[in-house]
Amino acid sequence: GAVVSQHPSRVICKSGTSVKIECRSLDFQATTMFWYRQFPKQSLMLMATSNEGSKATYEQGVEKDKFLINHASLTLSTLTVTSAHPEDSSFYICSATIPDFRSYNEQFFGPGTRLTVL
Amino acid sequence: AQTVTQSQPEMSVQEAETVTLSCTYDTSESDYYLFWYKQPPSRQMILVIRQEAYKQQNATENRFSVNFQKAAKSFSLKISDSQLGDAAMYFCAYRSDYYGGSQGNLIFGKGTKLSVKP
Repeated sequence: GAVVSQHPSRVICKSGTSVKIECRSLDFQATTMFWYRQFPKQSLMLMATSNEGSKATYEQGVEKDKFLINHASLTLSTLTVTSAHPEDSSFYICSATIPDFRSYNEQFFGPGTRLTVL
Repeated sequence: AQTVTQSQPEMSVQEAETVTLSCTYDTSESDYYLFWYKQPPSRQMILVIRQEAYKQQNATENRFSVNFQKAAKSFSLKISDSQLGDAAMYFCAYRSDYYGGSQGNLIFGKGTKLSVKP
């Protein structure tokens, strides 16, 4: 199957700083990428959908100015948590997909990034 | 809006036995996809099985099979001959038909934690 990587896998930062998380599709071109957030022992909650070359679509309740998403190329999407605070500590997961009428458009998930804000 | 409900927060099964995880969903759409994902302690999301709503035949992948009841909006997962490696969180997920206007994001249930006893 297709491989999606995330970097870093784990990051610890001080409150007030910004953190950038990268999501890369390694062996395919992903026109659409998704960013999810997962709190401990909870499910994945969609934060935003990003399409290459266009602005991300954010889910209701997700602060656009706090969680900046850039899908600059067909293989890279970045999530920047700006002015991070302890409540932003969470597990962030990206996934990538290839819209194709011939397939059911499987989402390929990255391994996730654990963010801890002190 | 579509919703996915998993009513069993935790389940336990003896090694080599069979276990069924429940999932119900709510939608007004006629075309969609349903998935079961496994999330082991590594937090990597792994696709277990998928079902296209237009297919009446239940999907099967080796020891994993589903019971898809479209009218009842039910999508249960049966794991046969359970193995220690099956222990994980299992998430049921819904996805609208991409060509119905959806961008392909997944809607997850809250998950069921499966323990396998040796």
